[in-house]
Amino acid sequence: GAVVSQHPSRVICKSGTSVKIECRSLDFQATTMFWYRQFPKQSLMLMATSNEGSKATYEQGVEKDKFLINHASLTLSTLTVTSAHPEDSSFYICSARVQAETQYFGPGTRLLVL
Amino acid sequence: GQNIDQPTEMTATEGAIVQINCTYQTSGFNGLFWYQQHAGEAPTFLSYNVLDGLEEKGRFSSFLSRSKGYSYLLLKELQMKDSASYLCAVRDSSSGTYKYIFGTGTRLKVLA
Repeated sequence: GAVVSQHPSRVICKSGTSVKIECRSLDFQATTMFWYRQFPKQSLMLMATSNEGSKATYEQGVEKDKFLINHASLTLSTLTVTSAHPEDSSFYICSARVQAETQYFGPGTRLLVL
Repeated sequence: GQNIDQPTEMTATEGAIVQINCTYQTSGFNGLFWYQQHAGEAPTFLSYNVLDGLEEKGRFSSFLSRSKGYSYLLLKELQMKDSASYLCAVRDSSSGTYKYIFGTGTRLKVLA
């Protein structure tokens, strides 16, 4: 299947700092990428839909000024968690829609805010 | 509104067959997906149904009934490595774009 990478895989930061997470499609072009957040023992919650060359579409309750999404090219989308706080600690997963049928997930980024 | 229900946990024995059910309510149904997720890892795609009926792929099969808002994932010849969470997800197009809505997942424990 299609390969999606995420970097970093794990990050620890101090409260108040910003963290950038990259999501890349390695062997295909993705016009649409999704960003999810998953808390322990819970399912994936869609945060936003990232479209190449246009503004991201955020889900209700997700602060767009706190979670900045940039999809500047067909192979890269970035999520920046600005002024991170301990409650932002979570598993962040991106995915890329390959065809109309399905999406492939990146390996995820575990964020811990101290 | 949108709602997806799955059992929280299931236990089965190695070599057995297990069926994981999923019921959903959505206004813009556009396909149902099953994913497997091992602890600490991202989900991996298992199956996709958009029409009623059974889709078989090796040891895994998935069934869909759109009129009943119901799907199941069938795992045969269970192996220890099948211990994982299984996520049911519905693709919804009611907002004008595709969105994937996930259930809470079913944690399957396979015992020797």
